[in-house]
Amino acid sequence: SYVLAQPPSVSVAPGKTARITCGGNNIGSKNVHWYQQKPGQAPVLVIYYDNDRPSGVPERFSGSNSGITATLTISRVEAGDEADYYCQVWDSSSDPVFGGGTKLTVL
Amino acid sequence: QVQLQQSGPGLVKASQTLSLTCAISGETVSSNSATWNWVRQSPSRGLEWLGRTYYRSKWYNDYEVSVKSRITINADTSKNQFSLQLNSVTPEDTAVYYCARGGGSGWPFDPWGQGTLVTVSS
Repeated sequence: SYVLAQPPSVSVAPGKTARITCGGNNIGSKNVHWYQQKPGQAPVLVIYYDNDRPSGVPERFSGSNSGITATLTISRVEAGDEADYYCQVWDSSSDPVFGGGTKLTVL
Repeated sequence: QVQLQQSGPGLVKASQTLSLTCAISGETVSSNSATWNWVRQSPSRGLEWLGRTYYRSKWYNDYEVSVKSRITINADTSKNQFSLQLNSVTPEDTAVYYCARGGGSGWPFDPWGQGTLVTVSS
């Protein structure tokens, strides 16, 4: 089955840029979705189809996807962005696959 | 705006059946563009998709292979909701269970239900 690899944690100072990666075999050929999950809450979609933002998601959130790595970029990080972030794709057997998640800490 | 509201017991005994329901508002369960999914989350397994039901002139189900022999997902059009049944549960099925709206294959999951922590007691 398809495997997505995320770093367990990323730390960033307020106002700086956070980059969270999601690695997978030829992931650039797939559509990548990103979810934000705060403690005790359900995941919330923040980026879909590599770089589209649902309404209500700040423009500070963006995504890219090429080769073997997809990246979620959060600019001008705020304390409220502290959360777990998950990438997700659909594999060749048409099953959804999630990455292991990255905990974003705002210093 | 679609909203999903989950209900069901938070404690199930081993070998018994886990049953959860997800009530939909803002869209009909028989929508021709939506799929209705169950996803669970545990520290050991992370986020794990379990399966989905959807209507495309008739009802279809897709299940994740590891639970395929134990899972049933059904839609109830009279109540505009869908349900999850997972049979013969073990403590390894302890997790937070979420319902979520999807589209076709390739689509994201949005929105999600609030989640239900289900503990399987031995």
